[in-house]
Amino acid sequence: AQSVAQPEDQVNVAEGNPLTVKCTYSVSGNPYLFWYVQYPNRGLQFLLKYITGDNLVKGSYGFEAEFNKSQTSFHLKKPSALVSDSALYFCAVRAGGYQKVTFGTGTKLQVIP
Amino acid sequence: DAEITQSPRHKITETGRQVTLACHQTWNHNNMFWYRQDLGHGLRLIHYSYGVHDTNKGEVSDGYSVSRSNTEDLPLTLESAASSQTSVYFCASSVGLGADTQYFGPGTRLTVL
Repeated sequence: AQSVAQPEDQVNVAEGNPLTVKCTYSVSGNPYLFWYVQYPNRGLQFLLKYITGDNLVKGSYGFEAEFNKSQTSFHLKKPSALVSDSALYFCAVRAGGYQKVTFGTGTKLQVIP
Repeated sequence: DAEITQSPRHKITETGRQVTLACHQTWNHNNMFWYRQDLGHGLRLIHYSYGVHDTNKGEVSDGYSVSRSNTEDLPLTLESAASSQTSVYFCASSVGLGADTQYFGPGTRLTVL
């Protein structure tokens, strides 16, 4: 069975500092990995995904994520955090050929002015 | 612009009543999904559909049903609402599977008293 772990319920970072939101996964075979963001009272919005190839994936709003196969991780990063980045972030995984997506429990990012 | 809508946005009902949540997408996507979001659990898959007249159970399908009579709609029915079904419900769609992105609706907040 596939699974995703987001070890931090909340991450606090000062505005302008780099941010990292952690994600590890477990899956048989090659994974498809996703990051979604949820703003208050809204549905999830796609940020970026890893399919294959370059381990560093760039996405929307200046976010990027690094795929590390040996550590089975897909951490979300941004060089300089904005207050407007404050939201709930979800990591998700789908095994190649497997039909369903498994979401993590979410990490609340709080960017402090 | 194509979109995915859900109605109602908020619903309060009583234990034992039947409730139907609507989901409508104009993306012309084959695949549609229903999730529930609960604190500490992230998003959990209730039911999904890969096309007209196709429906499948997800990980938390007990007490829920869906039907797919056209491409655009996947209504979710709670046959006899229970307090444990108080949650925020999200509908999503995708054009394909594998690495395809899911597009989410704005959510329905359901309270069962």
